[in-house]
Amino acid sequence: AQSVTQLDSHVSVSEGTPVLLRCNYSSSYSPSLFWYVQHPNKGLQLLLKYTSAATLVKGINGFEAEFKKSETSFHLTKPSAHMSDAAEYFCVVSGGTGTASKLTFGTGTRLQVTL
Amino acid sequence: EAGVAQSPRYKIIEKRQSVAFWCNPISGHATLYWYQQILGQGPKLLIQFQNNGVVDDSQLPKDRFSAERLKGVDSTLKIQPAKLEDSAVYLCASSLGTPRQGYTFGSGTRLTVV
Repeated sequence: AQSVTQLDSHVSVSEGTPVLLRCNYSSSYSPSLFWYVQHPNKGLQLLLKYTSAATLVKGINGFEAEFKKSETSFHLTKPSAHMSDAAEYFCVVSGGTGTASKLTFGTGTRLQVTL
Repeated sequence: EAGVAQSPRYKIIEKRQSVAFWCNPISGHATLYWYQQILGQGPKLLIQFQNNGVVDDSQLPKDRFSAERLKGVDSTLKIQPAKLEDSAVYLCASSLGTPRQGYTFGSGTRLTVV
């Protein structure tokens, strides 16, 4: 069994300030973890993924996330928010391999960026 | 490489009508998924195929939803009859089969049932 909890449904930051989107996971397997972004009326875009290599993962557009097994967390951060970062962000877990490797999504965090 | 193709992009139907969605995955991707994303929620897995066999359809409402993947390539998802609560975006994704190899999502089909 696997699940993801996104701790904030809505986060608001000012442009130029840091972003922190929190995610905790649960998985019976050694998990792979992902962050996807979804802009309004657009498809899901992969930001970054963790698949048991380096625990600090760098993604696109300046985002990064750190896998912390002891805390079962995979929080997404960015040093300086940009207006174009406003979107819905999904933390996703995948456990198992081959036919068992399905994705389970969190409920999403809406990021608002203000001037 | 070409992405995951889905059609139609939008569909509006009346309740109790039927509707079908089509997905063409990335060439060579053995695993194909259909997800339902209701407004304001995260995507929920409906069905997972490995080649042309069903791996997981535990959350597919089988009394009204059906899906097939003929020849292990394209897939269709059908709803018959549709209910108001089926209004959602239906996303198709494909992968080579392991998380390390990544997943690619299509742009989705937005269904509105009136």
